[in-house]
Amino acid sequence: KAGVTQTPRYLIKTRGQQVTLSCSPISGHRSVSWYQQTPGQGLQFLFEYFSETQRNKGNFPGRFSGRQFSNSRSEMNVSTLELGDSALYLCASSLYDPNTEAFFGQGTRLTVV
Amino acid sequence: GENVEQHPSTLSVQEGDSAVIKCTYSDSASNYFPWYKQELGKRPQLIIDIRSNVGEKKDQRIAVTLNKTAKHFSLHITETQPEDSAVYFCAARGSGSNFGNEKLTFGTGTRLTIIP
Repeated sequence: KAGVTQTPRYLIKTRGQQVTLSCSPISGHRSVSWYQQTPGQGLQFLFEYFSETQRNKGNFPGRFSGRQFSNSRSEMNVSTLELGDSALYLCASSLYDPNTEAFFGQGTRLTVV
Repeated sequence: GENVEQHPSTLSVQEGDSAVIKCTYSDSASNYFPWYKQELGKRPQLIIDIRSNVGEKKDQRIAVTLNKTAKHFSLHITETQPEDSAVYFCAARGSGSNFGNEKLTFGTGTRLTIIP
């Protein structure tokens, strides 16, 4: 069974640009969550999608957005990039039941210069 | 919303000794508590989890205890080995009975270093 796949693995962007990250969950998983990881800040929750609907949202500015497709694949978009957006972005997928394991992808490391 | 606090932020123990990491949570509706281990440059991976109908769970050298009344849970690693060195994250998730609490909320992590 294939794991959670995130693309691209690495990305370098310039301030002011926008970026789109992709996450393909494990087959059969309908919940996809996105996290921002920076040194010393742990895993900051961005948003969670379930059956194409945003079910939960963290405390990030509106520049951060996402969506989920009918095949459960998800994308997140960051517009007007800032230097502080440099981070590892992780997605995690799980079954519809919240009390089951969340599996993480390898992450996309975004560097904003 | 849910708030998870984790302590300590760093922990160093001698190889063979035990390590304990503690977390508290705020939402009494939370009923799923996983622990993740993240090695340098790798993705977080689940090492053990506990559900609210259980007070303790053990898997070889790793155990987790849960006190729902006090809203805290702990990770215990016994007979520590060098490969246990990593960052450990606790997390809490609700059942969905309260709208918006299905998300997994993480603690800020504990960097565990095992001294040979």
